[in-house]
Amino acid sequence: QKEVEQNSGPLSVPEGAIASLNCTYSDRVSQSFFWYRQYSGKSPELIMSIYSNGDKEDGRFTAQLNKASQYVSLLIRDSQPSDSATYLCAPRSRDDKIIFGKGTRLHILP
Amino acid sequence: ETGVTQSPTHLIKTRGQQVTLRCSSQSGHNTVSWYQQALGQGPQFIFQYYREEENGRGNFPPRFSGLQFPNYSSELNVNALELDDSALYLCASSLTREYNEQFFGPGTRLTVL
Repeated sequence: QKEVEQNSGPLSVPEGAIASLNCTYSDRVSQSFFWYRQYSGKSPELIMSIYSNGDKEDGRFTAQLNKASQYVSLLIRDSQPSDSATYLCAPRSRDDKIIFGKGTRLHILP
Repeated sequence: ETGVTQSPTHLIKTRGQQVTLRCSSQSGHNTVSWYQQALGQGPQFIFQYYREEENGRGNFPPRFSGLQFPNYSSELNVNALELDDSALYLCASSLTREYNEQFFGPGTRLTVL
């Protein structure tokens, strides 16, 4: 099993709907997780972090962590065209380095 | 507060050449990590520098080397360039090595012909 796995997409979501992005991880990562957004041709931008089981909300974004099932998700409410980007799941490895999934391309349909 | 900067923004080299990429960390940050991002892939960890010492290395050959200076700026050097080295090279700084949040620079796009 790879350390971090994400569906590459593209995931198409109508404007105003909820976008749900998922990520599964192996035992080789620790319990700190980050979501980065990356626009085409740009560098990643940190949008959410989550360290404990459950939900964490920040504006239109909610990160969900389920340690028992080894998955972490990102929900984007009221999706906007500006949310169209690649979303990278990035857990912290057990040797304290940030490792990245391949990312999920999200396309918000106007 | 100045963010992370990288230079140059674009670079074209030929196989076998050497290249040096530069990164200035965000003010107050003493830890710099370098990543390679190939098209359609997530960033791959190359190495990290903390207070001028290498603090971990990913699965990259020794021809990838680095340096961190007393002002915490950093260089990435790649020798004997190969076609597969063509990628976006990203530098990220964090407050310290134990601090989780990293902030990325704009990247250097390297093309090897």
